[in-house]
Amino acid sequence: GQNIDQPTEMTATEGAIVQINCTYQTSGFNGLFWYQQHAGEAPTFLSYNVLDGLEEKGRFSSFLSRSKGYSYLLLKELQMKDSASYLCAVRDSNYQLIWGAGTKLIIKP
Amino acid sequence: IAGITQAPTSQILAAGRRMTLRCTQDMRHNAMYWYRQDLGLGLRLIHYSNTAGTTGKGEVPDGYSVSRANTDDFPLTLASAVPSQTSVYFCASSDMGTGANVLTFGAGSRLTVL
Repeated sequence: GQNIDQPTEMTATEGAIVQINCTYQTSGFNGLFWYQQHAGEAPTFLSYNVLDGLEEKGRFSSFLSRSKGYSYLLLKELQMKDSASYLCAVRDSNYQLIWGAGTKLIIKP
Repeated sequence: IAGITQAPTSQILAAGRRMTLRCTQDMRHNAMYWYRQDLGLGLRLIHYSNTAGTTGKGEVPDGYSVSRANTDDFPLTLASAVPSQTSVYFCASSDMGTGANVLTFGAGSRLTVL
């Protein structure tokens, strides 16, 4: 079956750096997405990786290794507003999105 | 404001009742989707539509139906609600092309079936 694994919850300190990992086993691969979801709100798009390597976008970076079935989202200079759930999703060979359960990130002052 | 509008925001429903969740987008996206989100689980696809006039079944379609009469609207109907359909429902849309085709989500509809 298809599977996306990410930690359930992580805690980090304001101003620090945190890395959220995502491993996947899917039928084919056509891109990996990271979304941010604040409590009670809709998911919003953060990043897209289709080739191996690092994509940087301001304080957020996302890395992909297709051979390892692995990605991470790196958040730098953490702010309190970064407290949210981070969802990893992979588009499979049928162009359907397979979603992880999300990682709840708690930022402490 | 461009985006997706869902209604109602929240609803409590008696088991056995019929319910339609509405979804409208103004971005002229070809594809539209309905997901449900439950605690501890990833978003699960209920139904999707790649273009007006066509629909397809997702991962958890049983008990739900959809229609896509035009580009903008994609209502989700629960013919006879059951408590296991208590969830938060998200409508989403995207382009259909060779790029990322990023999903844009509506604000969600929280449904409680008693």
